[in-house]
Amino acid sequence: DGGITQSPKYLFRKEGQNVTLSCEQNLNHDAMYWYRQDPGQGLRLIYYSQIVNDFQKGDIAEGYSVSREKKESFPLTVTSAQKNPTAFYLCASIGQGATQPQHFGDGTRLSIL
Amino acid sequence: GEDVEQSLFLSVREGDSSVINCTYTDSSSTYLYWYKQEPGAGLQLLTYIFSNMDMKQDQRLTVLLNKKDKHLSLRIADTQTGDSAIYFCAESKNQGGKLIFGQGTELSVKP
Repeated sequence: DGGITQSPKYLFRKEGQNVTLSCEQNLNHDAMYWYRQDPGQGLRLIYYSQIVNDFQKGDIAEGYSVSREKKESFPLTVTSAQKNPTAFYLCASIGQGATQPQHFGDGTRLSIL
Repeated sequence: GEDVEQSLFLSVREGDSSVINCTYTDSSSTYLYWYKQEPGAGLQLLTYIFSNMDMKQDQRLTVLLNKKDKHLSLRIADTQTGDSAIYFCAESKNQGGKLIFGQGTELSVKP
């Protein structure tokens, strides 16, 4: 079945370490999104990409980086510059001109050791 | 500016109706969505409505849109314990575009 796969489900980061969260989709969707979710808050947009080899900053991009070398993949790196990385991270995608809105993966929970 | 507001908690008894409310500030919002999130999972689209509609019904779900007051509501009829989850309201100017989310309403259904 087609869908969005995020891995790992749980991730732990040591101080000063960069970690990368994976997001893969086999829906042939053009646009992909990364959101951060904190308790009691809505989802906040980190980065998004409308097409391969292009991406834009969202509302809270500081301390994060992304790449979009392949249509299927949109990995998110949480750098050591992100001082409060503990959160639930959600990836979403949508096809060009699609009639359905964003489809979400099951998320990655990142914690600090 | 863009802002979407929801109350954080709602508690109902099984079999009752639940009404989750949402207000938004951007009058140019074209699409309004309701998503459901179960613990530890991603968001599941429940339903959406275009800004030129006042109401949409889908089985137990009824969405009402008051464009004048920028108010959106989701009514769940005959609420079941399996409906316990966090419900997010979101708006977008164009289909497939950037979504602005509310804080989410945690619905608790008591037997």
